[in-house]
Amino acid sequence: EVQLVQSGAEVKKPGESLRISCKGSGYTFSRHWITWVRQMPGKGLEWMGRIDPSDSYTVYSPSFQGHVTISADKSISTVYLQWSSLKASDTAMYYCARTIPVAGTTPFDFWGRGTLVTVSS
Amino acid sequence: DIQMSQSPSSLSASVGDRVTITCRASQHIATYLNWYQQRSGQAPKLLIYATTILQSGVPSRFSGSGSGTDFALTISSLQPEDFATYYCQESRSASWTFGQGTKVEIK
Repeated sequence: EVQLVQSGAEVKKPGESLRISCKGSGYTFSRHWITWVRQMPGKGLEWMGRIDPSDSYTVYSPSFQGHVTISADKSISTVYLQWSSLKASDTAMYYCARTIPVAGTTPFDFWGRGTLVTVSS
Repeated sequence: DIQMSQSPSSLSASVGDRVTITCRASQHIATYLNWYQQRSGQAPKLLIYATTILQSGVPSRFSGSGSGTDFALTISSLQPEDFATYYCQESRSASWTFGQGTKVEIK
């Protein structure tokens, strides 16, 4: 069974750093990209970026480029999303999702349950 | 960047109704269009990929259509478990984009 298990909820102060994780199981982890998606409170889904765990090649949305870092450790089937200096506006639910190439497109077929990040002074 | 625009933003419907949600891309995206359902408090779920292909396990009352810039998700007979928010997503560009979502509510 394919599973993406995300790390637990975080409460941080502005200016602090943070790394959240997404661990895959039930499939060959390095074969499929992982995407990160942000959902701010009461808002829609925003695509942040994706990583190929086999070589850590990463593509970011222009909206998130320079604000977050996506990385991977394929030896432990885990992808990370990292901030060096959090802002209150980073308060959101963050989802990871497996990204598969199929029928010429790349949908997100399995999702983690999400990690809630709260940034407040 | 490709912009995705869904309409309506929300709709009210009754169980058994036929519901159609539309999604328009700012550029031609061929059939690189996927649809997701998000129930309240849950992670999104893939419904349809490549415009028309139903993900495994998704009921056949869901269908997708379109190509180029205009797409649609249709629910042929709305069921209680279908009340949720639906998102389209393009994968034509290097930087993928979601539509803003359509919330389907109970009338």
